[in-house]
Amino acid sequence: AQTVTQSQPEMSVQEAETVTLSCTYDTSESDYYLFWYKQPPSRQMILVIRQEAYKQQNATENRFSVNFQKAAKSFSLKISDSQLGDAAMYFCAVSGTSYGKLTFGQGTILTVHP
Amino acid sequence: NAGVTQTPKFQVLKTGQSMTLQCAQDMNHEYMSWYRQDPGMGLRLIHYSVGAGITDQGEVPNGYNVSRSTTEDFPLRLLSAAPSQTSVYFCASSLDTRRNEKLFFGSGTQLSVL
Repeated sequence: AQTVTQSQPEMSVQEAETVTLSCTYDTSESDYYLFWYKQPPSRQMILVIRQEAYKQQNATENRFSVNFQKAAKSFSLKISDSQLGDAAMYFCAVSGTSYGKLTFGQGTILTVHP
Repeated sequence: NAGVTQTPKFQVLKTGQSMTLQCAQDMNHEYMSWYRQDPGMGLRLIHYSVGAGITDQGEVPNGYNVSRSTTEDFPLRLLSAAPSQTSVYFCASSLDTRRNEKLFFGSGTQLSVL
């Protein structure tokens, strides 16, 4: 079984500052993938970034980057130069190779202050 | 492309009523799935399908039925609605689950069972 834990129910950041959202996971799969999804008030689920577990290099997508610590089973998301549009619920998720089933964390609500 | 289309967006049911949540995708995706989102619990997998005629249970399948007669459609049926099924439901699809492709989500259905 897979589990994902997001220990920060809420986080806040000032516009233009940097914030890091935490995520830890557990999986028995040897090959798996990690994801961060963003859910703005519109409710739409948007993929922010994806990391393949066998790649040691941390994934980056513009202002979004991850700190992937495989041994510690940690997968944190760093948002640089935060913008008002980054305000949303963020979900961490892990997927094994079996039919791509995603296991999600509880979510972290991010507030961005102007 | 319309992507993943869910209907209805909102629904109120009385306990014991039945209904079907519709999901359709126009991307020729093989993999489709249903998740429910509850506060503090993230998204949990209800049922999934890896192709027409093939379905399987996820983490929380009780009280729900699915079928996949075509590649495009994956309806979710509530046979006898219960207040515990009050939730936001998301349909998602991906091209090839074995490669852990990105999931494309619908906009969700907010269901209230009174």
